Amino acid sequence: GQNIDQPTEMTATEGAIVQINCTYQTSGFNGLFWYQQHAGEAPTFLSYNVLDGLEEKGRFSSFLSRSKGYSYLLLKELQMKDSASYLCAGMDSNYQLIWGAGTKLIIKP
Amino acid sequence: IAGITQAPTSQILAAGRRMTLRCTQDMRHNAMYWYRQDLGLGLRLIHYSNTAGTTGKGEVPDGYSVSRANTDDFPLTLASAVPSQTSVYFCASSDSTQNTGELFFGEGSRLTVL
Repeated sequence: GQNIDQPTEMTATEGAIVQINCTYQTSGFNGLFWYQQHAGEAPTFLSYNVLDGLEEKGRFSSFLSRSKGYSYLLLKELQMKDSASYLCAGMDSNYQLIWGAGTKLIIKP
Repeated sequence: IAGITQAPTSQILAAGRRMTLRCTQDMRHNAMYWYRQDLGLGLRLIHYSNTAGTTGKGEVPDGYSVSRANTDDFPLTLASAVPSQTSVYFCASSDSTQNTGELFFGEGSRLTVL
């Protein structure tokens, strides 16, 4: 079956670095997405990886290893506004997204 | 403001009633989707439409129907609501001709079925 696994909750300190891991199993693979969702709001797109390696976008970076079925989202210089849920989603061979349950990130001062 | 609009934002509904959640986008995206989001679960696809005039079933289609008469509108109908359909519903769209296939989400419709 298809499955996305990510931790339920993580806590980090303002100004620090945090890595949110995601493992995926999809029928075929057409990319790995990360979305940010603040409480009570809609998800917003953060990153897309389809090739192995690290994609950097400002304070956020996303990594993909297709052979390991693994991705992570790296957040640097954490700010209080980064408190949110981070959703990992894999795109299968039919171009449908399979979503993880999300990782709630709590930032402490 | 370009984007995707859902209505209503929130609704309390008696079981057995019919309900339509509206979704409109002005980005001329070809693909549209309806998801439900429940605590502890990932977003689950209810129905989708790859282009105007076509629709398809997602992971959890039972009890829901959709139509796509034109590019902009993609309403979701609950013919006879049941309490298990209490959820937050998100409409989304994408330009599937783009490599990233990035989804743009509406603000969500919170539905409570009593």
